[in-house]
Amino acid sequence: AQKVTQAQTEISVVEKEDVTLDCVYETRDTTYYLFWYKQPPSGELVFLIRRNSFDEQNEISGRYSWNFQKSTSSFNFTITASQVVDSAVYFCALSEALIEDSGAGSYQLTFGKGTKLSVIP
Amino acid sequence: AAGVIQSPRHLIKEKRETATLKCYPIPRHDTVYWYQQGPGQDPQFLISFYEKMQSDKGSIPDRFSAQQFSDYHSELNMSSLELGDSALYFCASSSGLAGGGGEQFFGPGTRLTVL
Repeated sequence: AQKVTQAQTEISVVEKEDVTLDCVYETRDTTYYLFWYKQPPSGELVFLIRRNSFDEQNEISGRYSWNFQKSTSSFNFTITASQVVDSAVYFCALSEALIEDSGAGSYQLTFGKGTKLSVIP
Repeated sequence: AAGVIQSPRHLIKEKRETATLKCYPIPRHDTVYWYQQGPGQDPQFLISFYEKMQSDKGSIPDRFSAQQFSDYHSELNMSSLELGDSALYFCASSSGLAGGGGEQFFGPGTRLTVL
């Protein structure tokens, strides 16, 4: 069974500080996908990044960066120079391919419990 | 760009009533997922459809059913509603197996309140 653990329930930082959100996952599959989603107070789920299990390159997108380490089953997310608009709940998620005999497929997401980030002005 | 559309956005029902939630995926997306997110919880997978066939089933109560129609929109039918069904219900769509990873684009959610 797949499992995602986000040990940090809540984090508070002062604006312009850097913050890292931790994510550890468990899976028996060799092929899987990892995601980060942001859920602001308005409630929608905003896709941030997807990474497949064969791509361990770190990625930077503006103030966001991700560190994928297969050896430790971790996919951590860093926000540099945090801003008040970054305040949200951040979910790490894992999906494994499930292919039925019929050919129907599913990549259901298993989410972590989320980390609530509060950026204080 | 077109996004996933969910209707209604808010719904208030009494206990033991029924509710129908609708989801319109992104054009050319053939896979739909339903998730339930209780207050302060993470989204939990309910059910998915690929090319109008049920492709996977998660923690969906027997009181709930869903289907995907010929135009790929999906409906989640909920009967005998209970207080514990109060949650945010997300629909997500993806382009199925193409490209791998099934990157899922989420709709804005339907907030169901059961009184």
